[in-house]
Amino acid sequence: GAVVSQHPSWVICKSGTSVKIECRSLDFQATTMFWYRQFPKQSLMLMATSNEGSKATYEQGVEKDKFLINHASLTLSTLTVTSAHPEDSSFYICSASGQGGGGYTFGSGTRLTVV
Amino acid sequence: GENVEQHPSTLSVQEGDSAVIKCTYSDSASNYFPWYKQELGKGSQLIIDIRSNVGEKKDQRIAVTLNKTAKHFSLHITETQPEDSAVYFCAARPASNYKLTFGKGTLLTVNP
Repeated sequence: GAVVSQHPSWVICKSGTSVKIECRSLDFQATTMFWYRQFPKQSLMLMATSNEGSKATYEQGVEKDKFLINHASLTLSTLTVTSAHPEDSSFYICSASGQGGGGYTFGSGTRLTVV
Repeated sequence: GENVEQHPSTLSVQEGDSAVIKCTYSDSASNYFPWYKQELGKGSQLIIDIRSNVGEKKDQRIAVTLNKTAKHFSLHITETQPEDSAVYFCAARPASNYKLTFGKGTLLTVNP
C-alpha cells in the first residue's frame, strides 16, 4: 500500500534555530500534502495544505513565515519551523493524498522539542 | 466550516467485549468519513472509511455505520483485543475540498 516516510521521528533543538521536517511518498505521487500539528491528548489540527508546485495554503492563525512549506516535487514536501521557540514544541504529522483526492496516507510523525 | 464532535473521550473495555465510538458532524455536504488509529507517539493509520452513499461498512472485527439524516457515524469494534488499545480519531471531509476535520479522539483501553 501507499507509504509516506517522515523524518526525523524526533528532534531536539535550541530556541532560535530552525528545524526541517521531510515527508516523502514512496510509491505514489503526492499531489496534495497536509501538515498537522498535535498537542498532547488533543486532535490533529490542520496547519496548511500544499499542492505540488504551488504555494501552500495556511489555516487561520498559522504563521506562514514561521512554518515554511515546500512541495517542489510529487514525492517530497518539507516543513521548516523557523526561529523555533519552546511553544512550537509539538508533534507534527504530514498526510499525503494522490491524484483525485482519494485516500490519505499519514507519515509517522515528528516529535519536536525546543529547549 | 465543518465541526466534528467525538464521544467518549476515553473508553475502557474488557478483552472480548465490543467498543463503540460515536461522532457527529455539522456540514451536510461532507461525504467521506474515515477512522484512524493512532498508537502512542506514532502517526495515524486509516482503519476503515465510509462514503455517504452507503450506510454501513464492515472489515472483519471493525465496522462503521453512517446516518446521513442525523449526521452521525460510529465505529464498532467487536471481540476487542489488547492490541486494539490506542487513540481513535474520526474525521469528515466535504465534497468541495480535500480537507479533513478531525474529532478530538477517543482513548480506547482494552483490559486483558
